[in-house]
Amino acid sequence: EPEVTQTPSHQVTQMGQEVILRCVPISNHLYFYWYRQILGQKVEFLVSFYNNEISEKSEIFDDQFSVERPDGSNFTLKIRSTKLEDSAMYFCASRLTSGRARETQYFGPGTRLLVL
Amino acid sequence: EDKVVQSPLSLVVHEGDTVTLNCSYEVTNFRSLLWYKQEKKAPTFLFMLTSSGIEKKSGRLSSILDKKELFSILNITATQTGDSAIYLCAGSNAGGTSYGKLTFGQGTILTVHP
Repeated sequence: EPEVTQTPSHQVTQMGQEVILRCVPISNHLYFYWYRQILGQKVEFLVSFYNNEISEKSEIFDDQFSVERPDGSNFTLKIRSTKLEDSAMYFCASRLTSGRARETQYFGPGTRLLVL
Repeated sequence: EDKVVQSPLSLVVHEGDTVTLNCSYEVTNFRSLLWYKQEKKAPTFLFMLTSSGIEKKSGRLSSILDKKELFSILNITATQTGDSAIYLCAGSNAGGTSYGKLTFGQGTILTVHP
């Protein structure tokens, strides 16, 4: 069964460093998302992406964040200058754009980011 | 601001018990309600509900949506230890270009003892 994959599974970085989190969405999906979950808190929406552009972003997704689809398979989240409060599990999700199941988002296993 | 609230926050039962998990939502341009199971990492999809009153079933799990009361429940019958997980409820919107942003509740932690 196709699934969303994410790399790395864990990342430890120093405050102020740049990190890039990578995702490979399910191959025929065209809507992509990033969410994050701070330990013990809710899963929070960060950004949605369709047709090579951001369709919506949350207040969390400030100028330090960017997303990119550099090729036909990868979808990346970049944090330019990490802060301690960026420590969280980051989930990528994808979904179809048509059909009965189009509203179901499928999640990757996550990248646990720890900023020291 | 969109809001999804789940109750109870945690539940401890014994194998064989039946549980009901609750989810209320206030989501602008609401489109659908999704239930996910989160064990170690990624939320895994359980159900998507778009119409009121139509029960969806998968084995021992079932769910129903009430769009008038802005409420959904997830039932698990004959619980097993493998059902122990966090159950997440999320509302999906359909506003403009933000078709499908999920707003999550805080989750219900279910623990099933042998």
